[in-house]
Amino acid sequence: AQRVTQPEKLLSVFKGAPVELKCNYSYSGSPELFWYVQYSRQRLQLLLRHISRESIKGFTADLNKGETSFHLKKPFAQEEDSAMYYCAQGYSSASKIIFGSGTRLSIRP
Amino acid sequence: EAGVAQSPRYKIIEKRQSVAFWCNPISGHATLYWYQQILGQGPKLLIQFQNNGVVDDSQLPKDRFSAERLKGVDSTLKIQPAKLEDSAVYLCASSLDRAPDTQYFGPGTRLTVL
Repeated sequence: AQRVTQPEKLLSVFKGAPVELKCNYSYSGSPELFWYVQYSRQRLQLLLRHISRESIKGFTADLNKGETSFHLKKPFAQEEDSAMYYCAQGYSSASKIIFGSGTRLSIRP
Repeated sequence: EAGVAQSPRYKIIEKRQSVAFWCNPISGHATLYWYQQILGQGPKLLIQFQNNGVVDDSQLPKDRFSAERLKGVDSTLKIQPAKLEDSAVYLCASSLDRAPDTQYFGPGTRLTVL
């Protein structure tokens, strides 16, 4: 079965420090990978998708097929980055998404 | 544009009771999804509709869960009878097309089964 693994339930870093949220996937082939974010009292929303190779709010994520990873990175954390982050894998043929269990990112002032 | 609406936002019931959740997707969105999110886990797809037809309900516990989208717009998800393990947040999402990254999520309904 396809699986998305986020090994850290909680990641706490100081403001201004680099951030890396880990994500590993199990699908072989051409995966579609995403990061979703849920800020406190807000809805789950798409942060970025690997196919667009974009940087959103300073975050980037690189797909590493050899390591089957899609880690989310930001060089300098900001307090407003505190949120729940979910890595997800999509299947266009089935238009469905499988989510990881999430990592809570806490930025300390 | 208005977002995905869900009601109620919170519901507490006793086990073996029945409960229903309602979702109103974004206007014009043909695809509607129901997810179950248990505490400490990511959302898990229960059922996906394309207009009023079911596309995927492989993870829906059909002995107790049912869902419908009669006119291809609003949808209801029902649990009958509820079990303790059904305690979770139930998320509704909608998308204009079937691309997996174009889903807009509602605020969710938090269900507690006692």
